[in-house]
Amino acid sequence: QKEVEQNSGPLSVPEGAIASLNCTYSDRGSQSFFWYRQYSGKSPELIMFIYSNGDKEDGRFTAQLNKASQYVSLLIRDSQPSDSATYLCATFTYQLIWGAGTKLIIKP
Amino acid sequence: ETGVTQSPTHLIKTRGQQVTLRCSSQSGHNTVSWYQQALGQGPQFIFQYYREEENGRGNFPPRFSGLQFPNYSSELNVNALELDDSALYLCASSPGLAGVVYEQYFGPGTRLTVT
Repeated sequence: QKEVEQNSGPLSVPEGAIASLNCTYSDRGSQSFFWYRQYSGKSPELIMFIYSNGDKEDGRFTAQLNKASQYVSLLIRDSQPSDSATYLCATFTYQLIWGAGTKLIIKP
Repeated sequence: ETGVTQSPTHLIKTRGQQVTLRCSSQSGHNTVSWYQQALGQGPQFIFQYYREEENGRGNFPPRFSGLQFPNYSSELNVNALELDDSALYLCASSPGLAGVVYEQYFGPGTRLTVT
């Protein structure tokens, strides 16, 4: 059974700090990795994808991938209250496998 | 806005009934995936259509079926509704089976309640 694991949280971070979200996966054949943000009652919104080991930066967001250790993380710099949401990690082999998400709360 | 639309937004059905949900994919996208998301959980893959053919299926019973049309819009049909089918149903489109990267863009979802 292919799995993606995330800490459900909530993860509480002060405004302006760095939020660090982590995800581990079981399928070593996973090729691509995705972070989605989901506000309550809304559909998931793609933030970033990564498929090579190392870091990928996009504005305040950095995705980090370590295939040997089978984890992928998302860093959010200068956290804003509007970043408060559930963050979903997904991996792709022949279909997307999703984690249950981490609830992030940014405290003003 | 992703350009993916779904209808209806909300739906209430009775156990045993049948339901059809609709999705229009983003322009230029030929692949549509359907997901079921229960409260507090990640999306669960139902199936995917690529150029009108089913191209993968998750662990859902045959009473979940679908179609994709020549314009790449899609339908999800659920027969013999059960209470556990109550969930947010998400449609996601993507620009085809292109190599490693496979980003999907979601519609707003249909909230189905079965009573």
